Amino acid sequence: ILNVEQSPQSLHVQEGDSTNFTCSFPSSNFYALHWYRWETAKSPEALFVMTLNGDEKKKGRISATLNTKEGYSYLYIKGSQPEDSATYLCARAGGADGLTFGKGTHLIIQP
Amino acid sequence: GAGVSQSPRYKVAKRGQDVALRCDPISGHVSLFWYQQALGQGPEFLTYFQNEAQLDKSGLPSDRFFAERPEGSVSTLKIQRTQQEDSAVYLCASRGRATDTQYFGPGTRLTVL
Repeated sequence: ILNVEQSPQSLHVQEGDSTNFTCSFPSSNFYALHWYRWETAKSPEALFVMTLNGDEKKKGRISATLNTKEGYSYLYIKGSQPEDSATYLCARAGGADGLTFGKGTHLIIQP
Repeated sequence: GAGVSQSPRYKVAKRGQDVALRCDPISGHVSLFWYQQALGQGPEFLTYFQNEAQLDKSGLPSDRFFAERPEGSVSTLKIQRTQQEDSAVYLCASRGRATDTQYFGPGTRLTVL
């Protein structure tokens, strides 16, 4: 993996269902992995920053895991609600201070 | 408290015009970042300030792009002689001393005709 990659690119989920998506990143020279939620016309909202292999973080119905050895992170949403509709971005922090972002997963929750 | 603000939110420029985009970071945040998000892509790093010092400008795509933060708070990203490929959302983020989290503004959507 040379770049930060996210899959799937877009996802339609029924309200009430649970879902998850993936972020893959270069495992070398790793410092931290960030997740953001970005709703249209709003600022990207920071969800999690994870640094340690095996880290698991939770915020309400959203949780994330981190595997730095194999270079991936999963984001889980339990019991999806319409307000979860957004683009979810992951970003890797390496040696430099700027973040390297994936293209995002566009999540649409259907009532 | 107030978050990161950016102005204008939308800017339409004719090709060849100069534009200036403003970022007001969270008060007291030392670090400030600019990113560019082209359509269908993730945000890409442009430049980084610590206080008034520009420590990294490796992501600026050409010498038409210039950023400054003269007093270590408000920052301006200036694009000279805009081109169509400059059309993008320009995001600003700030970060406090004891955190890894970057807090983003809502972005400025620049359209170059």
